Amino acid sequence: AQSVTQLDSQVPVFEEAPVELRCNYSSSVSVYLFWYVQYPNQGLQLLLKYLSGSTLVKGINGFEAEFNKSQTSFHLRKPSVHISDTAEYFCAVREGYTSGTYKYIFGTGTRLKVLA
Amino acid sequence: NAGVTQTPKFQVLKTGQSMTLQCAQDMNHEYMSWYRQDPGMGLRLIHYSVGAGITDQGEVPNGYNVSRSTTEDFPLRLLSAAPSQTSVYFCASKRTSGYNEQFFGPGTRLTVL
Repeated sequence: AQSVTQLDSQVPVFEEAPVELRCNYSSSVSVYLFWYVQYPNQGLQLLLKYLSGSTLVKGINGFEAEFNKSQTSFHLRKPSVHISDTAEYFCAVREGYTSGTYKYIFGTGTRLKVLA
Repeated sequence: NAGVTQTPKFQVLKTGQSMTLQCAQDMNHEYMSWYRQDPGMGLRLIHYSVGAGITDQGEVPNGYNVSRSTTEDFPLRLLSAAPSQTSVYFCASKRTSGYNEQFFGPGTRLTVL
């Protein structure tokens, strides 16, 4: 079974500074990877996804992630954060096809706190 | 489109009480699922369904029942609530074919005393 590791539970960063949120996954022949964002008291929404092709994936709100197969990583980056980026970020991987569908495995989340 | 809706938003139960968390989607998605979110544990899959009349267990199914009588609705039942079920519950839906984005509801915050 697939697994996802987000080593940083909390990341404080000052406004306009760059940020990187780390995600590592267990190796597989093919892998689909995702980043979701959860703003306070809201559900999750998709930030970006890697299915195939270019290893640099751009998402919404200026975020991007790079798929690195050799390091089994999919780190999320933003060159300059805003206060409004304060949220919890989840990395997820799609599992293999079973019981009529694909299921998703989520990491434990990283809480990004942007400081003024 | 309303997307994925969940009711109630908040609920407090006493140990042993039963209740049903409601989830509905208006996107005609075949796949629906329930997750629970606990601090430091991310989202864990409770039950899922790939279509009306078809349900299956996820990672943490104990203490929960589901049914899927229509494409739109996927209620989650707690038959005898326990404090360990205090959590935030999210419902999600997507199409089953190929890659499709999961859409999440706003969540239900449940406290069991």
